[in-house]
Amino acid sequence: QVQLQESGPGLVKPSETLSLTCTVSGYSISSGYYWGWIRQPPGKGLEWIGSIYHSGTTYYNVSLKSRVTISVDTSKNQFSLKLSSVTAADTAVYYCARTLWFGAYYFDYWGQGTLVTVSS
Amino acid sequence: QSALTQPASVSGSPGQSITISCTGTSSDVGGYNYVSWYQQHPGKAPKLMIYDVSNRPSGVSNRFSGSKSGNTASLTISGLQAEDEADYYCSSYTSSSTPLGFGGGTKLTVL
Repeated sequence: QVQLQESGPGLVKPSETLSLTCTVSGYSISSGYYWGWIRQPPGKGLEWIGSIYHSGTTYYNVSLKSRVTISVDTSKNQFSLKLSSVTAADTAVYYCARTLWFGAYYFDYWGQGTLVTVSS
Repeated sequence: QSALTQPASVSGSPGQSITISCTGTSSDVGGYNYVSWYQQHPGKAPKLMIYDVSNRPSGVSNRFSGSKSGNTASLTISGLQAEDEADYYCSSYTSSSTPLGFGGGTKLTVL
């Protein structure tokens, strides 16, 4: 059974960088699929942030691209998200998910999500 | 602002059927068979219910079905049950600069 677990600070100061890691179990990232990040501000809808392949190929939401970096560490079976220059608008529950890409576009396994609050 | 338009809310009584629409354009819903639907209960992660317009993942009840006509995709839930009360989101591939978008979500209330 594929499982994903987000981890990282729950509180980030404005203008700083938000950093989260997703640890995957039950499946090797190197075996395939893309791996992505999705966020959901409190009381609002879902927003795709970006997705990465084990080779390092990435696709990003254009609205966030200038501030986002997604990376992968196959040795640890993890992938990570960095979002720079955060503001209160970046306060959200951040989810990691396994992503179908090319020939299908959807998320079939999700982490439980982690709330990140941007506040001084 | 979401690229895909969903009704804010729908409701139905137990045993009835309801349909949630997801309207896009020829650049997303109408142009590709890459529409997916997610169910989200309060405080929980979204769950994949339908992919590629009308396919159900293993384990998802056959009371859930998906379809598409033109630029509008639909999720139909038949034989409504109390446990179906949740938020539902559609998603589609898009040929725009951001290849994946979500609808704004629809809150389903089972009366």
